[in-house]
Amino acid sequence: NAGVTQTPKFQVLKTGQSMTLQCAQDMNHNSMYWYRQDPGMGLRLIYYSASEGTTDKGEVPNGYNVSRLNKREFSLRLESAAPSQTSVYFCASSRRQGTNQPQHFGDGTRLSIL
Amino acid sequence: RKEVEQDPGPFNVPEGATVAFNCTYSNSASQSFFWYRQDCRKEPKLLMSVYSSGNEDGRFTAQLNRASQYISLLIRDSKLSDSATYLCVVNGAGGSYIPTFGRGTSLIVHP
Repeated sequence: NAGVTQTPKFQVLKTGQSMTLQCAQDMNHNSMYWYRQDPGMGLRLIYYSASEGTTDKGEVPNGYNVSRLNKREFSLRLESAAPSQTSVYFCASSRRQGTNQPQHFGDGTRLSIL
Repeated sequence: RKEVEQDPGPFNVPEGATVAFNCTYSNSASQSFFWYRQDCRKEPKLLMSVYSSGNEDGRFTAQLNRASQYISLLIRDSKLSDSATYLCVVNGAGGSYIPTFGRGTSLIVHP
């Protein structure tokens, strides 16, 4: 029972490079989320997808794009990486947005931008 | 005022102690509430949901006070393995159904 799977687990990029963080869930959840976590800042929502076919901005969307490829997969893209995007990125899913359903998290992608 | 606020701690307690954390939220229309546990460099994991009437899971008790707009987590008989950061999550804190996380409270249980 994999739950939420994120790839890669670690990545080092140079400023200006692009990359896509992958996330897949096997729990048949409708809603998926991308967060970043920085020291002292807690978890901040980047983008979310309430259901397949929809995406919306969260608290800190600048510099990122997302794709809800299908019900299982929700990817996060950095088009031109900047050092300020050095962070730990977590993907999460929940059965449905707006209900008393908790989120389940992947084990994170640790991203460093040089 | 932040939407969801927690005392960052750290709370430094001996094994066997009872410790309690509070988490305040600003939107009175918030719908649902959770406590998560996060170990260093790991993902957050659901500890327990928080129900209006309060709920207990072993050594852990969660309470909701809607009038004062806070939730609490009580840990009895603390274990070394309870050392972690405890995050509160509020759905609807910002006026939408998006979960909002507090910044977490650090707990250190020492021998």
